[in-house]
Amino acid sequence: ELKVEQNPLFLSMQEGKNYTIYCNYSTTSDRLYWYRQDPGKSLESLFVLLSNGAVKQEGRLMASLDTKARLSTLHITAAVHDLSATYFCAVAPTGTASKLTFGTGTRLQVTL
Amino acid sequence: EAGVTQSPTHLIKTRGQQATLRCSPISGHTSVYWYQQALGLGLQFLLWYDEGEERNRGNFPPRFSGRQFPNYSSELNVNALELEDSALYLCASSLRQSSTGANVLTFGAGSRLTVL
Repeated sequence: ELKVEQNPLFLSMQEGKNYTIYCNYSTTSDRLYWYRQDPGKSLESLFVLLSNGAVKQEGRLMASLDTKARLSTLHITAAVHDLSATYFCAVAPTGTASKLTFGTGTRLQVTL
Repeated sequence: EAGVTQSPTHLIKTRGQQATLRCSPISGHTSVYWYQQALGLGLQFLLWYDEGEERNRGNFPPRFSGRQFPNYSSELNVNALELEDSALYLCASSLRQSSTGANVLTFGAGSRLTVL
């Protein structure tokens, strides 16, 4: 069974600081997704990473994928309050049109 | 373009009752997914429908069931409700799944089910 682990589960950081969220998964995958969820809202797609070494950036967020290490990172640069949300990674096993398995989520709180 | 729409937004039921949740996918999307987001448990995969057929099912008891209609909308039914069924139920849709390609899921706002 595919397992997806994120850490940390909770992250409180000051505005202007940098930090990285980690997503480890237990089986081979060539598709990894990052989603954002605001409190009481639905999930919003942030990034899709489709190959080893893929890197995507949007504003202060940058995601990368290392399929050999079965690891994805979401790096936050110079955090701002608007980034406060819960971030999920999700993985689909290689070569399958299969269901996504989500990580536990990382709740990010950016304080002044 | 309308997104994924779910109804009802909120639903309150008592133990033993049945709940029906509905989902309309984005126009052109044929795949519909259901996820349960219970407090502290993250997103748990429930069901995946494509072209009217159930393609995959998560580790949930048979009292969780659903169907997909010819217009690709979907229903999730939960029979014999239990207190632990209280959760946010999220529906997502995508274009037809393939073993390659992005297959990005677009989520609806969810239906919050409370079982008393």
